[in-house]
Amino acid sequence: DAGITQSPRYKITETGRQVTLMCHQTWSHSYMFWYRQDLGHGLRLIYYSAAADITDKGEVPDGYVVSRSKTENFPLTLESATRSQTSVYFCASSRLERDEQFFGPGTRLTVL
Amino acid sequence: KQEVTQIPAALSVPEGENLVLNCSFTDSAIYNLQWFRQDPGKGLTSLLLIQSSQREQTSGRLNASLDKSSGRSTLYIAASQPGDSATYLCAVSNYGQNFVFGPGTRLSVLP
Repeated sequence: DAGITQSPRYKITETGRQVTLMCHQTWSHSYMFWYRQDLGHGLRLIYYSAAADITDKGEVPDGYVVSRSKTENFPLTLESATRSQTSVYFCASSRLERDEQFFGPGTRLTVL
Repeated sequence: KQEVTQIPAALSVPEGENLVLNCSFTDSAIYNLQWFRQDPGKGLTSLLLIQSSQREQTSGRLNASLDKSSGRSTLYIAASQPGDSATYLCAVSNYGQNFVFGPGTRLSVLP
């Protein structure tokens, strides 16, 4: 099906482990985004990408790494997971900058 | 820095009632404003996008208005249904900046 997908949907890991969250979109949208959603903080932008091989920091980038070698994929890596990174992570895409955004179903990550 | 607020945080109405959700923003030089709904445990679903040059957008029973001078947008839901129960978020983008999200309004429509 066309759209934006995320995997895994649920993940439990331990402090210090590396974790990669995957995001794939089939619309060939130029822009892709990673957000985290936490009670009391709402949705906050982690990283975004304007095109393949172009990425930039958002509001809360510390502890995260992104790459975008292909237009359709935008993986998010937690290099050494911490408990404070327990959250729900959403990937989104848009055709143009500041255009209508479309969200994936989210990944619920728990760091023990 | 743009700040977005949504009041009330929660709202409960009987089925069939018309209702208005509010979104306020501090920097009126916006580019776009987008309304979403989020069901529990799900992602965000785009409802309406209003460009800065527009005053309102309509989709079915939903109507979103934008008043940049007062820093406000409203989402009007006509003839509410239990299926409308969800959290509604607004997000605002300014020139040169990404979208900033409000905290959301949790809507319950009672049968």
